[in-house]
Amino acid sequence: GGIITQTPKFLIGQEGQKLTLKCQQNFNHDTMYWYRQDSGKGLRLIYYSITENDLQKGDLSEGYDASREKKSSFSLTVTSAQKNEMAVFLCASSMWGESSYEQYFGPGTRLTVL
Amino acid sequence: QQKVQQSPESLIVPEGGMASLNCTSSDRNVDYFWWYRQHSGKSPKMLMSIFSNGEKEEGRFTVHLNKASLHTSLHIRDSQPSDSALYLCAASPSNNRIFFGDGTQLVVKP
Repeated sequence: GGIITQTPKFLIGQEGQKLTLKCQQNFNHDTMYWYRQDSGKGLRLIYYSITENDLQKGDLSEGYDASREKKSSFSLTVTSAQKNEMAVFLCASSMWGESSYEQYFGPGTRLTVL
Repeated sequence: QQKVQQSPESLIVPEGGMASLNCTSSDRNVDYFWWYRQHSGKSPKMLMSIFSNGEKEEGRFTVHLNKASLHTSLHIRDSQPSDSALYLCAASPSNNRIFFGDGTQLVVKP
């Protein structure tokens, strides 16, 4: 088994602020993902990374940057927080190969922008 | 355009009843389907996967897949209050990119 940790658990920011969210996994998975989930809604892909130093844009990449520093860690930066924004950011990881694999999710970072 | 459509958006069933959830993909390249369950305040966890035409049963949960129509359904028999959750359908072509639907919010009333 393995675990995904996300820090911080709660993040409160100010409008216009640059905010960074971090994710670590010990599954030894190749692929990592960042999703945004608005209250009661589905998951929208922001960025994903197939391997260390790789970066692929998802459907919601505008307004965000990401960095895959090493195989076990993947960071997401909100480049300029929007006023009254509230969402949960979920990190996930999976194996990679000529198929498609189950994703394992972290507990999430809950963002509130004042 | 949303690649994965789920219906209904919300569903209320009595305890002991049958819950039926639907999911269709608009991407003809999709080969894999999953159902994830997300309890309130928690992160999604994979419930069942199905990659071949037909039916798969695990306890009270049954999934069906029709690859020709890119339609999958999840059926929960003898529903329990603990089954109340957001059910997310996910679909993927063979490229590690998974598309999620907006989910069905299931409430099981005691």
